[in-house]
Amino acid sequence: KNEVEQSPQNLTAQEGEFITINCSYSVGISALHWLQQHPGGGIVSLFMLSSGKKKHGRLIATINIQEKHSSLHITASHPRDSAVYICAVIGGTDKLIFGTGTRLQVFP
Amino acid sequence: ETGVTQSPTHLIKTRGQQVTLRCSSQSGHNTVSWYQQALGQGPQFIFQYYREEENGRGNFPPRFSGLQFPNYSSELNVNALELDDSALYLCASSQTGVYGYTFGSGTRLTVV
Repeated sequence: KNEVEQSPQNLTAQEGEFITINCSYSVGISALHWLQQHPGGGIVSLFMLSSGKKKHGRLIATINIQEKHSSLHITASHPRDSAVYICAVIGGTDKLIFGTGTRLQVFP
Repeated sequence: ETGVTQSPTHLIKTRGQQVTLRCSSQSGHNTVSWYQQALGQGPQFIFQYYREEENGRGNFPPRFSGLQFPNYSSELNVNALELDDSALYLCASSQTGVYGYTFGSGTRLTVV
């Protein structure tokens, strides 16, 4: 069993839909990253959070430390949001542990 | 501030050859981590360098080795390349004690 699990693995949406991607982890963490990876491979950090909730534009990330769960929400989704979204946690040794990613496709 | 730069962006090597990938860390960051991402998979931790020494290693054989230089840039070396080494290699820099990571765009290695 992976230490970081994401769901769903693949997600298809129509433009304008509200999207939720979930991440559960089984290790103690100091922080959690939500990352976006486009087809070219480069990774962009969207959020880093260790408690509560953060919002940036149409993106919202929440984390529940007690339940070891985080969610990434995208409001009013757009085709340019199509990418792989990866949850990565910073474990006890300050190393990143990645989930396998959620592939999102938003159609016009 | 500059981001993380990786070179080359793409590389094709023959099985058995050796390869060196390079990464420059973001200004102010002293730690560099390397990850291997196979197609359709999440990145896997290879190793991390801090103050020019290896500071943690994932489940990769010794033919994967690295270096960190005084300016905190880093190299990943892979000897005796195997077909399964074909992957995207990602580098990320960070500052010890601060949890934000900055990622490079990766080097896509193809072993034929």
